Amino acid sequence: GDSVTQMEGPVTLSEEAFLTINCTYTATGYPSLFWYVQYPGEGLQLLLKATKADDKGSNKGFEATYRKETTSFHLEKGSVQVSDSAVYFCALKGGSYIPTFGRGTSLIVHP
Amino acid sequence: SQTIHQWPATLVQPVGSPLSLECTVEGTSNPNLYWYRQAAGRGLQLLFYSVGIGQISSEVPQNLSASRPQDRQFILSSKKLLLSDSGFYLCAWSVDDRRNTEAFFGQGTRLTVV
Repeated sequence: GDSVTQMEGPVTLSEEAFLTINCTYTATGYPSLFWYVQYPGEGLQLLLKATKADDKGSNKGFEATYRKETTSFHLEKGSVQVSDSAVYFCALKGGSYIPTFGRGTSLIVHP
Repeated sequence: SQTIHQWPATLVQPVGSPLSLECTVEGTSNPNLYWYRQAAGRGLQLLFYSVGIGQISSEVPQNLSASRPQDRQFILSSKKLLLSDSGFYLCAWSVDDRRNTEAFFGQGTRLTVV
């Protein structure tokens, strides 16, 4: 079945540092890929998505490129802020009605 | 625009008591609906999903149940709560589409069973 693997956290960075959160997936066919963000005590919000190979999703300075050859969708940001501290979930949606999520990666950004 | 409402935000219940969490969606019709549970330090566990009124699929056998009495209403229930039912419960919806569309989440319910 479909699955998503993302790096374990927490990831701890200083403000303005470069961020990478790795995500790889297993799926049949051609899934769409997503990154969601969860701030403390809240539900998940869509951060960005890509629906086909080589697509780049971007939002709020975050980017991720759909790499079919490596089955990856790594999240990057060039300069993180304290307000980016949150839990980030990689997800896919393949040929079923059900989104499949990774376990989440906690990001902590210090001033 | 579409919105999703989930309540209550916080709930403390004794072991053995019943549970009812409600979720409603506005601004769309025939959505796919989902209940997830998020335990501390763990990812999202899909509990139930529904593609239409009265159609419920269960992903994890447990003492919880779900119902969809109306097109945009999804209810999570239990007759007798266990300590292990504590967690953060999230309702979500997506357009009735298999692949391209994202899920939209409610604000969640923090359930503590004591």
